[in-house]
Amino acid sequence: DTEVTQTPKHLVMGMTNKKSLKCEQHMGHRAMYWYKQKAKKPPELMFVYSYEKLSINESVPSRFSPECPNSSLLNLHLHALQPEDSALYLCASSQDGFSTPYFGPGTRLLVL
Amino acid sequence: DAKTTQPTSMDCAEGRAANLPCNHSTISGNEYVYWYRQIHSQGPQYIIHGLKNNETNEMASLIITEDRKSSTLILPHATLRDTAVYYCIALNYGGSQGNLIFGKGTKLSVKP
Repeated sequence: DTEVTQTPKHLVMGMTNKKSLKCEQHMGHRAMYWYKQKAKKPPELMFVYSYEKLSINESVPSRFSPECPNSSLLNLHLHALQPEDSALYLCASSQDGFSTPYFGPGTRLLVL
Repeated sequence: DAKTTQPTSMDCAEGRAANLPCNHSTISGNEYVYWYRQIHSQGPQYIIHGLKNNETNEMASLIITEDRKSSTLILPHATLRDTAVYYCIALNYGGSQGNLIFGKGTKLSVKP
């Protein structure tokens, strides 16, 4: 089983809203990742968590706030986003950061 | 991580083998070659990976040249559902956690 789930599938939010994206895996993986993908572009790495600790932040603006409350769950809290933040947000996980990463289906975000 | 170079697009006839090339001339000895594909608006799907030897699984075969400077992903009998963007990524696990950094990929169009 290599399933990573993401909720919601679609999200529309205003620039003053606060929302959260959720990612979950039950494979016992200890590394989890957030990627952002703009239309017709490849995915771009945002954050990496390793054993529930933030190990990489690719200079992402503070309006994106990741959280890893436990080894199965990864959240991305969104606040005061801009229309240019509209994108597909992808979550991935790997066993320990030294193994094959598996991706979820993504959350399509539209900021109005 | 080594940079990879792939053709922007390729066509393949349905039922024929699709051979997708990737150049990674600066790859180091401990970098794996990973292949993912992304069907429109879905999360990237892991296909196969290898270090030195050729690899085969139920989805595809991966042929890596002896000098490891290039590789070819082979889909033996392409179907319309194989139409996707295919990403070749060099992933370094040596010394620290490896993270997937996507290039532009090859858009494969399988035609009837």
